[in-house]
Amino acid sequence: AQSVSQHNHHVILSEAASLELGCNYSYGGTVNLFWYVQYPGQHLQLLLKYFSGDPLVKGIKGFEAEFIKSKFSFNLRKPSVQWSDTAEYFCAVIPNYGGSQGNLIFGKGTKLSVKP
Amino acid sequence: EAGVTQSPTHLIKTRGQQVTLRCSPISGHTSVYWYQQALGLGLQFLLWYDEGEERNRGNFPPRFSGRQFPNYSSELNVNALELEDSALYLCASSPLPEGRRETQYFGPGTRLLVL
Repeated sequence: AQSVSQHNHHVILSEAASLELGCNYSYGGTVNLFWYVQYPGQHLQLLLKYFSGDPLVKGIKGFEAEFIKSKFSFNLRKPSVQWSDTAEYFCAVIPNYGGSQGNLIFGKGTKLSVKP
Repeated sequence: EAGVTQSPTHLIKTRGQQVTLRCSPISGHTSVYWYQQALGLGLQFLLWYDEGEERNRGNFPPRFSGRQFPNYSSELNVNALELEDSALYLCASSPLPEGRRETQYFGPGTRLLVL
């Protein structure tokens, strides 16, 4: 079965530090890729998505992600984090079969704590 | 534009009872997805409805069921509740898929506690 791995369960950074959260998926074919964020007490929000084209994708709030097909990876980056980035981050995949399967396959999430 | 709405926000039930959760998608969205976010298990796909039909189902027992109404709103029903059904149940909606390029937008969830 397809799966998504997020390597870090909990990341603690100081403000202004750079962030990179790892995400790897197991499906060998074409995929749609997503990063969602869940701020404390709020619902899941889309940060960015990749369908095709330029493998470097820019999202909201200064986040970006790079799709590396050969590594089955879609890592999330931000050059300088802020206290307000404290949240849980989820990587998700929709494998593109002949027809759309529809459902997202999520990683287990990475909690990011940013110290002021 | 109003987002995905879910009701109720919280629910407490006892083992063996039945529960119905409700979801209204974003206006114009025809697909509704249900996910379970249980402690330690992450987000797991439950059900997908589009145009009133069940399109796909996750690895959950048949006591998890649902339906989608003509106005695209949806219900999730869970029968014979078990303690491990305690979780946050999330609904998401997406517009008609264009070349499989769906983006799902999530509601705030219903937190279910089974005692």
